[in-house]
Amino acid sequence: ETGVTQSPTHLIKTRGQQVTLRCSSQSGHNTVSWYQQALGQGPQFIFQYYREEENGRGNFPPRFSGLQFPNYSSELNVNALELDDSALYLCASSERPGQTYEQYFGPGTRLTVT
Amino acid sequence: AQSVAQPEDQVNVAEGNPLTVKCTYSVSGNPYLFWYVQYPNRGLQFLLKYITGDNLVKGSYGFEAEFNKSQTSFHLKKPSALVSDSALYFCAVRDDSGYSTLTFGKGTMLLVSP
Repeated sequence: ETGVTQSPTHLIKTRGQQVTLRCSSQSGHNTVSWYQQALGQGPQFIFQYYREEENGRGNFPPRFSGLQFPNYSSELNVNALELDDSALYLCASSERPGQTYEQYFGPGTRLTVT
Repeated sequence: AQSVAQPEDQVNVAEGNPLTVKCTYSVSGNPYLFWYVQYPNRGLQFLLKYITGDNLVKGSYGFEAEFNKSQTSFHLKKPSALVSDSALYFCAVRDDSGYSTLTFGKGTMLLVSP
């Protein structure tokens, strides 16, 4: 069984630039969620994808967007980067989108915006 | 809206002693509760969950958690702490409203001394 993987591990961008983060879900999982974890904080929900459709969104502006592909892998895109976007971005996959299913997290992508 | 409170930023315990990491929650419906652990520069690892049934839930690495509906609490416990348990612990909640986003607490750093 392959776990959740994310790329890249680290990324440094300049304010105003755009970034794409990638996630491969765990084998057998069709649901992917993205979280932002700022320093010293718990993860905050960005959005979830199920069967290539957005299945819920947290309190993040539209410049945060995503995709899910037929193989259930996913991308998080952030446009017009701001300094406050510096954080650890976590991807999590689950067997289904329902409430009782635990999510399995990848190691994260550390984004630094300068 | 759902929320989670972890009232302690840090918990210190000596190896071999019992440990408790506290969590209280607020949801509008029935709660689904989760504990995750995060080691440095790593993603979150699932420890255990409460969905329904027994109030005492057993999880990975000897951890357990006690659900108390009247006190809206879900404290994480372990009878005998190990130095290797030192990490950041997150409590998370979902409700049964049909939306499966996880809401996390801010985390509690557990330090186990030899």
